[in-house]
Amino acid sequence: GAVVSQHPSWVICKSGTSVKIECRSLDFQATTMFWYRQFPKQSLMLMATSNEGSKATYEQGVEKDKFLINHASLTLSTLTVTSAHPEDSSFYICSATPRGLTKNLYNEQFFGPGTRLTVL
Amino acid sequence: DAKTTQPTSMDCAEGRAANLPCNHSTISGNEYVYWYRQIHSQGPQYIIHGLKNNETNEMASLIITEDRKSSTLILPHATLRDTAVYYCIVRPYNYGQNFVFGPGTRLSVLP
Repeated sequence: GAVVSQHPSWVICKSGTSVKIECRSLDFQATTMFWYRQFPKQSLMLMATSNEGSKATYEQGVEKDKFLINHASLTLSTLTVTSAHPEDSSFYICSATPRGLTKNLYNEQFFGPGTRLTVL
Repeated sequence: DAKTTQPTSMDCAEGRAANLPCNHSTISGNEYVYWYRQIHSQGPQYIIHGLKNNETNEMASLIITEDRKSSTLILPHATLRDTAVYYCIVRPYNYGQNFVFGPGTRLSVLP
């Protein structure tokens, strides 16, 4: 099946610093990728939709100036948490939908393994 | 908002079938039923999806009622590695549509 990777798998940073998380589709192209956030013992919450070559679409309540998304190619989207604070500590997960594959895979989303961010 | 309701948690004995129910009484005609699971501290894993016919793959079976208002995911022979949170999601079959996750069902497979 299609594989999505994330880097890093975990990161610890000091309050006030910025952290970049990469999401890559390894064996397929994706014009659309999604970024989710998951707090402990809660479900995944969509943060934003990342579209290749255009601006990301953010969900209500998600600060676009704090969570910068860049989808510069069909296989890479990055999420930068700027001026991170302890309340930003969470599990960040990306997903991608393959394009140009068979019908059975056309609308499935493949999720990355997640990145655990801890802000001290 | 999630359009499905699932039990908060379930237990299943190892080697037995695990039957996970899901209610989606407001499902629309163009919406599919998807099942994903999430093992602790990992990303969600695709299990199966269907529209109205029952589906089976190497991981599970999906039984959808005739009125499509509910479905059941069946893991035929649960193992300890099947312990996870299982999410039932309804979603249109459109490219680029995100998934809306509810709280899911926490399945514990017991030895």
